[in-house]
Amino acid sequence: EPEVTQTPSHQVTQMGQEVILRCVPISNHLYFYWYRQILGQKVEFLVSFYNNEISEKSEIFDDQFSVERPDGSNFTLKIRSTKLEDSAMYFCASRTSSGGPKNIQYFGAGTRLSVL
Amino acid sequence: SQQGEEDPQALSIQEGENATMNCSYKTSINNLQWYRQNSGRGLVHLILIRSNEREKHSGRLRVTLDTSKKSSSLLITASRAADTASYFCATDGGDSSYKLIFGSGTRLLVRP
Repeated sequence: EPEVTQTPSHQVTQMGQEVILRCVPISNHLYFYWYRQILGQKVEFLVSFYNNEISEKSEIFDDQFSVERPDGSNFTLKIRSTKLEDSAMYFCASRTSSGGPKNIQYFGAGTRLSVL
Repeated sequence: SQQGEEDPQALSIQEGENATMNCSYKTSINNLQWYRQNSGRGLVHLILIRSNEREKHSGRLRVTLDTSKKSSSLLITASRAADTASYFCATDGGDSSYKLIFGSGTRLLVRP
């Protein structure tokens, strides 16, 4: 069964460093998302991406964050200068197209980011 | 305001019993979904119910939706120890990006 894959599973970085989290969405999907979950808290929406551009972003997604789909398969989240409060589990998700059951989003297993 | 609040926050039951989790939301929706998360792992989609549906079944899962009360419930029948996980409802906020807005989740423990 097709699945969303994320790498790495765990990333440890020093405060102020740049990190890139990688995702390979399901191949025929058109809409891509990043969410994060701080330990013990809700899953929060960060950004949605469609047709090679951001379609919506949350207040969390400030200038330190960027997303890119550099080729036909990868979807990346970059954090330019990490802060301690960026420590969280980051989930990538994808779905086929709009409407009804096609709004089911399929999630990757997540990347645990630890900022020291 | 919070969207997608579940109750109870935690639920502990014996294997074989039924588990019921509730979710309330505040804005209009296109659909509501339930996801499961095993400890420290990814989110697994369980079931989607559209705003014009009232009830849906999938195996041991039964979901209801009351749009007048802006609430949903997830019933897991004949629970198993393997059902131990956190369960989240997620609404799509009714907008065009279909981003999901998650509740705070219910931690279910099924005792063998």
